[in-house]
Amino acid sequence: EVQLVESGGGLVQPGRSLRLSCAASGFIFDDYAMHWVRQAPGKGLEWVSGISWNSGSIDYADSVKGRFTISRDNAKNSLYLQMNSLRAEDMALYYCAKGRAPAATGDAAFDIWGQGTMVTVSS
Amino acid sequence: QSVLTQPPSASGTPGQRVTISCSGSSSNIGSNTVNWYQQLPETAPKLLIYSNIQRPSGVPDRFSGSKSGTSASLAISGLQSEDEADYYCAAWDDSLNGWVFGGGTKLTVL
Repeated sequence: EVQLVESGGGLVQPGRSLRLSCAASGFIFDDYAMHWVRQAPGKGLEWVSGISWNSGSIDYADSVKGRFTISRDNAKNSLYLQMNSLRAEDMALYYCAKGRAPAATGDAAFDIWGQGTMVTVSS
Repeated sequence: QSVLTQPPSASGTPGQRVTISCSGSSSNIGSNTVNWYQQLPETAPKLLIYSNIQRPSGVPDRFSGSKSGTSASLAISGLQSEDEADYYCAAWDDSLNGWVFGGGTKLTVL
């Protein structure tokens, strides 16, 4: 069964850091790009970051550029998101999503989604 | 304010056909394909349409997509109660170098 399972969310104070993980199974992980997409409570979807199959191409939304770092470990079938200098506006449910192609850009949709991990930023 | 513009709500009765629009610009829809996602209440999004018109395996042919210029549409025919969900369009944006989503359309089946 193709599956993505996120972990690492929780309550964190503004300005602190958090690292999210996503464990993939059921498909050849290093054949595909991976992404993080978030959804604030009661709001719509916002793409956060994407990474190509070999980590050669990485992109970020302007809202997180310079604060978040995406990475992957193909040997462990895992995707990560290091989030630093967290702000109240970063509070959201963070989804891990698989791209339909090796590249993270262009025309490849997100065809598999995890159930998400909640990040709460509050003092 | 989302880069892609969708109506916040849509509705229809069982059996009806409804369409949801998605308006963008030359840097996103105008030069890249459009994907549509369905998010049922309290669940993760699911890919509904990719590459403007393609349906993933398992998606009923009641769902169809189209694109013209800088706009796209999702059509749902033979509306069913289980279609009640939020629908999002998305595309790659060449200017922003990132993926952009519409604000979402909440579909109500009356």
